[in-house]
Amino acid sequence: AQSVSQHNHHVILSEAASLELGCNYSYGGTVNLFWYVQYPGQHLQLLLKYFSGDPLVKGIKGFEAEFIKSKFSFNLRKPSVQWSDTAEYFCAVSNSGGYQKVTFGIGTKLQVIP
Amino acid sequence: NAGVTQTPKFQVLKTGQSMTLQCAQDMNHEYMSWYRQDPGMGLRLIHYSVGAGITDQGEVPNGYNVSRSTTEDFPLRLLSAAPSQTSVYFCASSTYDRRYTFGSGTRLTVV
Repeated sequence: AQSVSQHNHHVILSEAASLELGCNYSYGGTVNLFWYVQYPGQHLQLLLKYFSGDPLVKGIKGFEAEFIKSKFSFNLRKPSVQWSDTAEYFCAVSNSGGYQKVTFGIGTKLQVIP
Repeated sequence: NAGVTQTPKFQVLKTGQSMTLQCAQDMNHEYMSWYRQDPGMGLRLIHYSVGAGITDQGEVPNGYNVSRSTTEDFPLRLLSAAPSQTSVYFCASSTYDRRYTFGSGTRLTVV
């Protein structure tokens, strides 16, 4: 069965600091990978996705993620965070081909201090 | 606006009561899922559907039923509510690419 690990459960950064959130998955086949964001009091929204091709994926609001197949990782990065990035971030994985269920990590709460 | 609509937004139930959480989407998405979100546990899949008339169990299906009689609707039924079902429930839909559109959630408290 597929699974997702997010190593940092709570991250506190000052504005303008760089961000990297770790995500590792376990699955033996070809995967599709996602990062979702949940702002306080809101529902989840898609930040970015990886299906195939260039392993460096750019998403909305300046976020990017790199798929490293050999490390089973899909870390989320942002060069300079803003207070408005305060949110919870979820990594998710699905095996590709037809419809397969999506498994989410437990999330990382990011707090950005002005 | 097109999207996923969940009702109700808030609900308090007594232990043993039953209820149905409604979910409707108007994007003609084939795939719909129900997740529950609990602190420290992320989102856990309850049930999902790949099309009208087809449903399957996720990670935590016990105590919940679903049906998918139309493409648009995917209701979640709590058969006999228990305090352990206190949670925030999210419905989500997607096309084949699994890029979910989430509803705004239902916050359920079972007392």
